[in-house]
Amino acid sequence: DVKVTQSSRYLVKRTGEKVFLECVQDMDHENMFWYRQDPGLGLRLIYFSYDVKMKEKGDIPEGYSVSREKKERFSLILESASTNQTSMYLCASSLPGKAAEAFFGQGTRLTVV
Amino acid sequence: DQQVKQNSPSLSVQEGRISILNCDYTNSMFDYFLWYKKYPAEGPTFLISISSIKDKNEDGRFTVFLNKSAKHLSLHIVPSQPGDSAVYFCAAAEMYSGGGADGLTFGKGTHLIIQP
Repeated sequence: DVKVTQSSRYLVKRTGEKVFLECVQDMDHENMFWYRQDPGLGLRLIYFSYDVKMKEKGDIPEGYSVSREKKERFSLILESASTNQTSMYLCASSLPGKAAEAFFGQGTRLTVV
Repeated sequence: DQQVKQNSPSLSVQEGRISILNCDYTNSMFDYFLWYKKYPAEGPTFLISISSIKDKNEDGRFTVFLNKSAKHLSLHIVPSQPGDSAVYFCAAAEMYSGGGADGLTFGKGTHLIIQP
């Protein structure tokens, strides 16, 4: 079974802090994605990566950056956390050509106070 | 502008009956469509998909129908069971011939409630 693991289930951070959300997948998938889920807005793509050291902006990249130094790991970085970044963050991975059938992690509920 | 729309935020269905969840899309370049199911505090899990070359795909109790001319798809669950209570997300993608894809575009979700 594909496993996508996010390092934290729940996080509470202060406004202005630098926040790292880590994601690891164990199926040698090329594609990795970061989404956020908000009530009434569904899932929105923040950033994605189709190879090591490659990254592409999604629909809502403002306030975020990413890092993909190793194939299995994709990190989402909030340079200076703000309260409007309080959300459920979901990491996903997939094979090339199968990007649609993405496997998701369990999510990280981030609260910025 | 929302490219994938789920116009019903919630749907209540009696156990044993058919649940029908609807989804509309506006981008004619989408050629692959999926349904994901999400329980609270968990990540979405892939449920069923359909390519634009088909108009129906069936997997057990779940059937997805695609009407390309109307840019509409629907998910049928029959019979509905209590464990089906969850949020269902419709998603769409453009599957490039080169094998890459820039992620999924999701609808806002429909909360399905199965009543005993």
